[in-house]
Amino acid sequence: QSALTQPASVSGSPGQSITISCTGTRSDVGGYNLVSWYQQYPGNAPKLIIYEVTKRPSGVSYRFSGSKSGNTASLTISGLQADDEAHYYCSSYADISSLVFGGGTTLTVL
Amino acid sequence: QVQLAQSGAEMKKPGASVKVACKASGYTFTGYYIHWVRQAPGQGLEWMGWINPKSGVTKYAQKFQGRVTMTRDTSINTAYVELGRLSSDDTAVYYCGRDTLEGYYMDVWGKGTTVTVSS
Repeated sequence: QSALTQPASVSGSPGQSITISCTGTRSDVGGYNLVSWYQQYPGNAPKLIIYEVTKRPSGVSYRFSGSKSGNTASLTISGLQADDEAHYYCSSYADISSLVFGGGTTLTVL
Repeated sequence: QVQLAQSGAEMKKPGASVKVACKASGYTFTGYYIHWVRQAPGQGLEWMGWINPKSGVTKYAQKFQGRVTMTRDTSINTAYVELGRLSSDDTAVYYCGRDTLEGYYMDVWGKGTTVTVSS
């Protein structure tokens, strides 16, 4: 199972919006509405911020939103804040009860 | 409070095996699957597999087939991952995460266990 493709890095200024893409295949992202996104600060465990493509867990800011088109899922962060600076990973259900992660994206808030 | 508490750091020699524990509290252990995910230094997340604590059924990532074993002890609400034939490439932080397996997402994670493989 190949890793999902994410940009290595993205950046934005406070208040702006940024979007991180996550590209897979019909066997994972494109075939199921089971894409999740995680935020990870260095030295910490990942934290779930989006599940089932568009859903936000309780307590996660409305500034985080997810979407999907074809084989590509996207995470959008609006109203960028300094503490959004972190690593972001997508994951997806993949054929035959498996899970696959993206390579991760480092978000820098300028 | 829902928590997954992981065992302490391990240092192993190449060729050895390591067993990492993940103790659940604050919820019904058998009601959620447990995934194991690892992260090598400076690298991304890598899925290793899952175990259904209720039945003991497992699913392993193809990369780890034959080298990984996931088990559980329901009497103490603990899941385990054992990785054999260790090499320096297995040096990583190993995480457990809880999942209903309806959405294939992990809503609660352990803090991670550092495994270092060095001669």
